[in-house]
Amino acid sequence: QKEVEQDPGPLSVPEGAIVSLNCTYSNSAFQYFMWYRQYSRKGPELLMYTYSSGNKEDGRFTAQVDKSSKYISLFIRDSQPSDSATYLCAMRVTGGGNKLTFGTGTQLKVEL
Amino acid sequence: DTGVSQNPRHKITKRGQNVTFRCDPISEHNRLYWYRQTLGQGPEFLTYFQNEAQLEKSRLLSDRFSAERPKGSFSTLEIQRTEQGDSAMYLCASSQDSNTEAFFGQGTRLTVV
Repeated sequence: QKEVEQDPGPLSVPEGAIVSLNCTYSNSAFQYFMWYRQYSRKGPELLMYTYSSGNKEDGRFTAQVDKSSKYISLFIRDSQPSDSATYLCAMRVTGGGNKLTFGTGTQLKVEL
Repeated sequence: DTGVSQNPRHKITKRGQNVTFRCDPISEHNRLYWYRQTLGQGPEFLTYFQNEAQLEKSRLLSDRFSAERPKGSFSTLEIQRTEQGDSAMYLCASSQDSNTEAFFGQGTRLTVV
């Protein structure tokens, strides 16, 4: 079993929809949680960076961390075609040298 | 500052040849990381540097792989005697220190034929 599980999709939604992306993990030592967006053949771009449990909002994006359930989410409001990409969750432990463990990524397509 | 820069962007090589990739991190970022990403998978950690010191290597980094960061600035990743299984995107990332977020470059896509 992988340390971080993520549904690979693909997930297809209409423009304007609310998108929910999720990851589960098994290592209770993970303390830092990130979401990266990756366009085809490009490097991952950091979207959200959170520490421990709770919510964080940035524009149309909201990240949620529930450490008790070992479950993290990314919500995208008013989704746009330009949001079509692969979304990777990543996490790390404290003092782990900032070494990230990634999910497999969820491929999202926002259709007109 | 234009972010993390990787060169070349694409490399096609014949099996058995050696290849070298370069990464220029964001200036004043002390930490530099190498990851490998295969199709349909998330990036997997290979190794990281604190300034010029290589502090950790994944078991994915076989003895055909070597990474350096000689002056604590740019880094190189060399693969000797390439195999078809080495075909992947090689990603470099940097962070200011151990507690700040990591930013990735655009990657070097390696194809071994």
